[in-house]
Amino acid sequence: AVQLVESGGGLVQPKESLKISCAASGFTFSNAAMYWVRQAPGKGLEWVARIRTKPNNYATYYADSVKGRFTISRDDSKSMVYLQMDNLKTEDTAMYYCTAGTMADWGQGVMVTVSS
Amino acid sequence: DIQMTQSPSSMSASLGDRVTITCRASQDIGNYLSWFQQKPGKSPRRMIYGATNLAAGVPSRFSGSRSGSDYSLTISSLESEDMAIYYCLQSIQYPPTFGGGTKLELK
Repeated sequence: AVQLVESGGGLVQPKESLKISCAASGFTFSNAAMYWVRQAPGKGLEWVARIRTKPNNYATYYADSVKGRFTISRDDSKSMVYLQMDNLKTEDTAMYYCTAGTMADWGQGVMVTVSS
Repeated sequence: DIQMTQSPSSMSASLGDRVTITCRASQDIGNYLSWFQQKPGKSPRRMIYGATNLAAGVPSRFSGSRSGSDYSLTISSLESEDMAIYYCLQSIQYPPTFGGGTKLELK
């Protein structure tokens, strides 16, 4: 069965950095585009970032709200995807979900809180 | 960006009712439309993909349809386990955009 397990969340201050991770299993990771989607407390879903596969040059895409501050990356040898978040803002406070391919499977999410 | 206008934002219905939720796309998205169900404290669950295709393990009382730029999720006979928030998602163009959500409650 597909498993996506996020980790690395926590409480940080504005302008600080944080890197969250997602460990994938149960499918051929190297063949799947990977995504991060977030949900602020009590709000709807917002797509954050996407990374494609090696044949697609690991192309990356970002929401305008995080462009220039967040970086998505992957390590196919470890079946891991990461989200490096720099210059965090209070409005980045959210549950961050990892999802794969056609978004059929999602992780349990990891909470990131940005507050002074 | 493509806007997905979802309606209603909330609704209450009785067990056994037929329920329909709609998303309207601001541009042509073909059939690149998915529906997700989210229960409190849980991750989203994909219910429908390709506008009309039932995802694996989803009960057959759920169905998706399209009429022009309007996409609908229908529950033919509401059950208590269906109480949740439902979101549509277009994935034809970047950035992918979600509808605002429909909170479905028991009357």
